[in-house]
Amino acid sequence: GESVGLHLPTLSVQEGDNSIINCAYSNSASDYFIWYKQESGKGPQFIIDIRSNMDKRQGQRVTVLLNKTVKHLSLQIAATQPGDSAVYFCAETPSQGGSEKLVFGKGTKLTVNP
Amino acid sequence: GAGVSQSPSNKVTEKGKDVELRCDPISGHTALYWYRQRLGQGLEFLIYFQGNSAPDKSGLPSDRFSAERTGESVSTLTIQRTQQEDSAVYLCASSGVGGDADTQYFGPGTRLTVL
Repeated sequence: GESVGLHLPTLSVQEGDNSIINCAYSNSASDYFIWYKQESGKGPQFIIDIRSNMDKRQGQRVTVLLNKTVKHLSLQIAATQPGDSAVYFCAETPSQGGSEKLVFGKGTKLTVNP
Repeated sequence: GAGVSQSPSNKVTEKGKDVELRCDPISGHTALYWYRQRLGQGLEFLIYFQGNSAPDKSGLPSDRFSAERTGESVSTLTIQRTQQEDSAVYLCASSGVGGDADTQYFGPGTRLTVL
């Protein structure tokens, strides 16, 4: 069945270091993937997305890598800042151009130490 | 509006009571989603509305849960005869058309506590 999970539930890094958050998915039909950031008491905030026809996409300080061979997704945050401290969720959907439900992993809590 | 809004932000109720949670999506967004997030967990899909199509109710956990949407605007999630296991944050998201049609934007959620 469908499942999206994360390898590490917590990650602690020093300010200025790069962070890598990993995610595994099991549905080979999934073709759209999103990373969300959720701060305490708030709803998830969109960070970056990637479609299955790509293997890398870059945003501002963030990069998402997709390895379809091993069904693995990662989020890289460059020069991590204290404001990056949050829970990060990967999510996937088998949708191709249509909006459907997202399947979320449990999340990784990122703590940035000053 | 500028983003998805939800009300109330917090709701405390007694077991057995009914509750209604409201979601105002981003103006112009045709799709609306409800999710539930238990403490320390990821989000669980509940229901999805897309335009005038029949909603996808496949995530509703029991017949005590129902949701309605008026056209392409406000949605209400109703939980009847609440149970303690219904305690969670209920999140609403909407998505639009165009290049980011698949991107779901979330509201702040309603924290429901059933005593």
